[in-house]
Amino acid sequence: DTAVSQTPKYLVTQMGNDKSIKCEQNLGHDTMYWYKQDSKKFLKIMFSYNNKELIINETVPNRFSPKSPDKAHLNLHINSLELGDSAVYFCASSQGLGGRTYEQYFGPGTRLTVT
Amino acid sequence: SQQGEEDPQALSIQEGENATMNCSYKTSINNLQWYRQNSGRGLVHLILIRSNEREKHSGRLRVTLDTSKKSSSLLITASRAADTASYFCATSTGGYQKVTFGTGTKLQVIP
Repeated sequence: DTAVSQTPKYLVTQMGNDKSIKCEQNLGHDTMYWYKQDSKKFLKIMFSYNNKELIINETVPNRFSPKSPDKAHLNLHINSLELGDSAVYFCASSQGLGGRTYEQYFGPGTRLTVT
Repeated sequence: SQQGEEDPQALSIQEGENATMNCSYKTSINNLQWYRQNSGRGLVHLILIRSNEREKHSGRLRVTLDTSKKSSSLLITASRAADTASYFCATSTGGYQKVTFGTGTKLQVIP
């Protein structure tokens, strides 16, 4: 069984469109993340949720809006897509925080191409 | 600014040789992790070392941490072709244990 899954795996769309990426984890983790990996493989955290509460919100354009309907799901909605949004987006999850860092489990990634 | 920077950016070795990758960071950390990313895949956690630890082993992996120099190294012994991947260090800081990834080292192990 896949621990962290993302859909879709590939997403090709035109500038100005709105799109969503879905993430689900079946590990029973409390914390979920969205990362963006650019063409140079630089991986940058975008958001983190703990028990459905937003705890990390990096400098990300307002066009990006995460939503966590429950602890097992964290979706990413992107409005008015721009060329610079082209990247691979990774979802990840980990156990709760509690003052410790736990290993993160990553999904397979969603390759977004904006034309 | 980027918290972790890795050196070298790329490394090519023969199977059976050892591979050493280094990571330098800028601010105090809670702990440091190493991850592997195979081409086209998500990251896989390898090992975590806490700020009060100096060395840790896991199978063929050996990680060292020098907090005075703000640096860490990952040693893979007796490398295999299957070790070909990108390796990232990730530092944890702050109360929410925010994890920041380094720039990565691309390792190629030639059979």
